[in-house]
Amino acid sequence: QSVLTQPPSASGTPGQRVSIPCSGSSSNIGSNYVFWYQHLPGMAPKLLIYRHTQRPSGVPDRFSGSKSDTSASLAISGLRSEDEADYYCASWDDSLSGWVFGGGTKLTVL
Amino acid sequence: EVHLVESGGGLVQPGGSLRLSCAASGFPFSTYVMTWVRQAPGKGLEWVSSITGSGDYTYYADSVKGRFTVSRDNSKNTLYLQMNSLRAEDTAIYYCEVKGDTSDNSYLDSWGHGTLVTVSS
Repeated sequence: QSVLTQPPSASGTPGQRVSIPCSGSSSNIGSNYVFWYQHLPGMAPKLLIYRHTQRPSGVPDRFSGSKSDTSASLAISGLRSEDEADYYCASWDDSLSGWVFGGGTKLTVL
Repeated sequence: EVHLVESGGGLVQPGGSLRLSCAASGFPFSTYVMTWVRQAPGKGLEWVSSITGSGDYTYYADSVKGRFTVSRDNSKNTLYLQMNSLRAEDTAIYYCEVKGDTSDNSYLDSWGHGTLVTVSS
């Protein structure tokens, strides 16, 4: 059971916009930054979003992050087949004094 | 260019030990927090441990506390994870990660490609 809660799966068709939610608590998302990672099988994870909404250089602006209270969300617009991957949210947890990840959401592009 | 290369994984019996290494290059190693993250077969990402740039502060997941020790040698730009009393549930790909602000106001995040640890008799 992950500290951060994500749906196990999501799907969309090419060109569509999809959102992946991440629910936490006051000790993590409520008081610390949220990060989002994309993980393709056999590859190293890749940071998509840091500090709730910021994109590292090289990440397309089709990817965006938002945060409200103890929840966060990753939105992907103009969905492409290459976006098919696992997506994870992460945040520091003050009560655990450690990082916590969501369980991951497998995105399927139909 | 930033590079992180993990090594030291392999097959070990339950109760055994392994030491993982992560060789870093392309960034000022001593100024960044370094982190170990693992992924067990068929499971999601799990944070294992982090260490500050100076090595003065270390943090561990409850699942490994008391068994794993993270350290770094800033003179060798290398991160380590000493894993003792290994259990079957420690079987995973272990990644090292660096992330943080850069001096030119951008953001650094890089991962190695991981090293596989298999705990089995």
